[in-house]
Amino acid sequence: DADVTQTPRNRITKTGKRIMLECSQTKGHDRMYWYRQDPGLGLRLIYYSFDVKDINKGEISDGYSVSRQAQAKFSLSLESAIPNQTALYFCATSVGQGGETQYFGPGTRLLVL
Amino acid sequence: AQTVTQSQPEMSVQEAETVTLSCTYDTSESNYYLFWYKQPPSRQMILVIRQEAYKQQNATENRFSVNFQKAAKSFSLKISDSQLGDTAMYFCAFMNPASGKLVFGAGTILRVKS
Repeated sequence: DADVTQTPRNRITKTGKRIMLECSQTKGHDRMYWYRQDPGLGLRLIYYSFDVKDINKGEISDGYSVSRQAQAKFSLSLESAIPNQTALYFCATSVGQGGETQYFGPGTRLLVL
Repeated sequence: AQTVTQSQPEMSVQEAETVTLSCTYDTSESNYYLFWYKQPPSRQMILVIRQEAYKQQNATENRFSVNFQKAAKSFSLKISDSQLGDTAMYFCAFMNPASGKLVFGAGTILRVKS
């Protein structure tokens, strides 16, 4: 199922570098989300967007920024990467109603050296 | 703030047997949704089952079923006739529909042995 795609799938970068993770969806969903997964912590919400003009901080937004370029595109940026941002990053989408299932992309594994 | 607790970091089960994964949550809301997601070694997050809190009937999807105990704030996942392909990390998640945000537990690694 390639309805939600993420690029790149894997990335190695160095401390202090700027990096952008991209998410695109063909599901026609209004809502998009960025999560990070760390061992023993599950997934935690970084940012979410209910439409192009609506951006909200999640639980762990410090050190991250986002851009909703279109209904189908939602990018996550690390302005100055640090090693503790090493994690698995997921984009997800859902329809514009509360309680609906979120559909996840394949994830981006990021290593910050 | 809502929290989700999965008390079993790892579990194992023999092929064809039944296993139950535990999940408890804390909320003061009366209307909410609960989910189980599966993450196989491919790392893709796959929805297993979804439960609406106002529905008393437990959700079922083929070999997967839940035991939803609203008063106890418990939401366990039962996998019947376990298959090797069920080997994965399983995440329990809570959603307040007003916010639309998912809150995840730490996950349970399930290994199905032949």
